[in-house]
Amino acid sequence: DIQLTQSPSTLSASVGDTVTISCRASQSVNYWLAWYQQKPGKAPKLLIYQAFTLDRGVPSRFSGGGSGTEFTLTISSLQPDDFATYYCQQYNKYWTFGQGTKVEI
Amino acid sequence: EVELLESGGGLLQPGGPLRLSCEASGFTFSDYGMTWVRQAPGKGLECVSRITAGGSHTYYADSVKGRVTISRDNSRNTLYLQIDTLRVDDTAVYYCATVHSDDYHFDNWGRGTLVTVSS
Repeated sequence: DIQLTQSPSTLSASVGDTVTISCRASQSVNYWLAWYQQKPGKAPKLLIYQAFTLDRGVPSRFSGGGSGTEFTLTISSLQPDDFATYYCQQYNKYWTFGQGTKVEI
Repeated sequence: EVELLESGGGLLQPGGPLRLSCEASGFTFSDYGMTWVRQAPGKGLECVSRITAGGSHTYYADSVKGRVTISRDNSRNTLYLQIDTLRVDDTAVYYCATVHSDDYHFDNWGRGTLVTVSS
């Protein structure tokens, strides 16, 4: 199975900050990586797929990068609505998720 | 608008069976693969199972293989997940989601149904 490791597990930030979350895969997943946002009590929401393609309606302050085994999610000018938990997911071989990164104030 | 509505959760006994349903609307259900993802309390996401659009191919996570069956009824726009022998560690919110037809990420999610397994 392909394992995904996110870092950090928790990230403290303020409105207006730029934050970056990392996701490392145990083997190459090419570009087959997605990012989801989840708020408490809600379903995950797709943000990015194919490592850097924003889903429709996702604000441009979100950006994704990387390929192979190293990926990043960057949120520029953090907004109050962005405080949530973020998960990466590989779908190169079946589907696995990272353990999540909580972005908190 | 895509809508996915899960049902069938609740407080259940270990060892018993469970069938979850996911009713889909707002899109052509028979054109999309579907998946079940679960989230134990305070934990991360786990893809439990996936079924192709026509139902001919399935995937199961090792944690549930042999105990779980995914199925669909395209005439009823409904996805199912049957768990034959519940365990305490099946306690989770179960989400159904659509699998993007070309890219295989999960693009639309239901609100989830909570399954609590306890004696």
